[in-house]
Amino acid sequence: ILNVEQSPQSLHVQEGDSTNFTCSFPSSNFYALHWYRWETAKSPEALFVMTLNGDEKKKGRISATLNTKEGYSYLYIKGSQPEDSATYLCASISSGSARQLTFGSGTQLTVLP
Amino acid sequence: DADVTQTPRNRITKTGKRIMLECSQTKGHDRMYWYRQDPGLGLRLIYYSFDVKDINKGEISDGYSVSRQAQAKFSLSLESAIPNQTALYFCATSDLYRGSRDTQYFGPGTRLTVL
Repeated sequence: ILNVEQSPQSLHVQEGDSTNFTCSFPSSNFYALHWYRWETAKSPEALFVMTLNGDEKKKGRISATLNTKEGYSYLYIKGSQPEDSATYLCASISSGSARQLTFGSGTQLTVLP
Repeated sequence: DADVTQTPRNRITKTGKRIMLECSQTKGHDRMYWYRQDPGLGLRLIYYSFDVKDINKGEISDGYSVSRQAQAKFSLSLESAIPNQTALYFCATSDLYRGSRDTQYFGPGTRLTVL
């Protein structure tokens, strides 16, 4: 079982601030790294899937980077808005026949107006 | 209409009762999964199925069983519910397309309380 860790566990920022958080994962047998956004009372929704070392993905004000050699990914939110408030989950998959996702416990972001 | 549906959405039951949670999908995906979420923990995999005749245990399968009745349906059963199975349960699907790298599409969740 992979050990996927996210930090910080929770975060409060003011509207307009930029912020970032971290996902750490075992780098051996790496296959893919996923980021999901989970709003309260809704289902987790996929943000990004990343596979290559040095990958950078962007969707609007949210972007993510990947370092597979050292086993970490950063998620950045530029100019946070209240609607960005959610729990951000990362999940790692190792290569092999099982290909199960192992989720971190998430970073809960609250953007204060 | 939602692509992945779960029934019931909320359930309160008593210790020792048998409970079935159902999941249906219209995405045409072959792969289906059951996860549970507990406060402070990530989503943990209970069981997964890559096609109708394939059932695999996940990280925390003890106390649970599953049935893949069709490509579109995947049920989770608690044969004799206990209070520490109180949790939020998610069904998810993914497809075989390699480029998706097993991106999961989640249902709305079932909140189960075992008294």
